[in-house]
Amino acid sequence: EPEVTQTPSHQVTQMGQEVILRCVPISNHLYFYWYRQILGQKVEFLVSFYNNEISEKSEIFDDQFSVERPDGSNFTLKIRSTKLEDSAMYFCASSDGTPVSGANVLTFGAGSRLTVL
Amino acid sequence: AQKVTQAQTEISVVEKEDVTLDCVYETRDTTYYLFWYKQPPSGELVFLIRRNSFDEQNEISGRYSWNFQKSTSSFNFTITASQVVDSAVYFCALSEAFQGAQKLVFGQGTRLTINP
Repeated sequence: EPEVTQTPSHQVTQMGQEVILRCVPISNHLYFYWYRQILGQKVEFLVSFYNNEISEKSEIFDDQFSVERPDGSNFTLKIRSTKLEDSAMYFCASSDGTPVSGANVLTFGAGSRLTVL
Repeated sequence: AQKVTQAQTEISVVEKEDVTLDCVYETRDTTYYLFWYKQPPSGELVFLIRRNSFDEQNEISGRYSWNFQKSTSSFNFTITASQVVDSAVYFCALSEAFQGAQKLVFGQGTRLTINP
């Protein structure tokens, strides 16, 4: 079964450092997402991406965050200068976007745990 | 604004018991979609079900069943004859969109522990 893969599974960084989280979405999917889960809390939407641009972003997704699809397969989330409160599990997801019953369901990756010290 | 409430933070039952996880949602949209995701101890989010707001039929899949009641804005999830492998955090979520980008609003999650 197709899956979304994320790397690294766990990253530890110092406050103020730049971090790039990588994702390989399902190959025929058109919509890509990042969600975040602070430890023990609910999963929160960060950003959606379609046709090489951001389609929607939440208030969490401030100027410190950026997303990119540098080639035909990877989708990245960059945090420019990490803060302690950025420590969380970051989930990448993708969907096909088609209005067909049973379709357009988000498939999530296993997550990248970011720890900011 | 959309909101999903899972009032049960943690539930613990003995194996083979039936257990129901509650989900209450708020939305001003007439068309919306409801989801359940499972997050096992390994951490990934596993899709379980999606229902649209026009279809209030209950759904059963093996030991899992879902009860959608628009009148009470609830979408409850029941596990029959629970097993230790059902232990996980379960999230209920809401989305407006059918096509295009899916912005899911998640509840706080219910941690379910099935004891042998």
